[in-house]
Amino acid sequence: AQTVTQSQPEMSVQEAETVTLSCTYDTSESNYYLFWYKQPPSRQMILVIRQEAYKQQNATENRFSVNFQKAAKSFSLKISDSQLGDTAMYFCAFMKPSRAQKLVFGQGTRLTINP
Amino acid sequence: EAEVAQSPRYKITEKSQAVAFWCDPISGHATLYWYRQILGQGPELLVQFQDESVVDDSQLPKDRFSAERLKGVDSTLKIQPAELGDSAMYLCASSSRDAVTDTQYFGPGTRLTVL
Repeated sequence: AQTVTQSQPEMSVQEAETVTLSCTYDTSESNYYLFWYKQPPSRQMILVIRQEAYKQQNATENRFSVNFQKAAKSFSLKISDSQLGDTAMYFCAFMKPSRAQKLVFGQGTRLTINP
Repeated sequence: EAEVAQSPRYKITEKSQAVAFWCDPISGHATLYWYRQILGQGPELLVQFQDESVVDDSQLPKDRFSAERLKGVDSTLKIQPAELGDSAMYLCASSSRDAVTDTQYFGPGTRLTVL
């Protein structure tokens, strides 16, 4: 079974700083997908960024980028020029391509951006 | 922008009572997921539907939980009888038929408190 571990329960940075959230996972699969989801306070979870394991190039979405290290089974999220609206719980998730395409989530990291 | 709808947003019940949650996925989305998110943890999949068929319900406590999606559109998750340990956020998500390349869109969730 796949597991996802986020070792940072909470992080706090000042507005405009860069912050990196860590995620490691365990799987014997060679083809899979990794995700970062954001869950703002009292709002629904939204997708931040997605990475396909077969792609060597790290995914980027505006201020969000990942550092995908397949051999190390590491998938960190970097947020550049952090904004107050980035305050949220961030979840790393794994999905194995199959008919049952369920997401396996980590425990989450609570990120606070301070003014 | 289309969203996943869930109701109620909050539910307080006493143990041994029955509760039901409703989810209306984004129009045209064939796949529907129910997740349970215990406070401080990441969501865990309870059940996945493809149209009206169950694809994965391996983590659904079938002695007390049931889920249906009779017409392949909206879905209901029921708990009977509720137990104290069922207190959690219940999230519904939907995706188009090819969830490998599409995104799971989450609803706002139903927060259940069992007293």
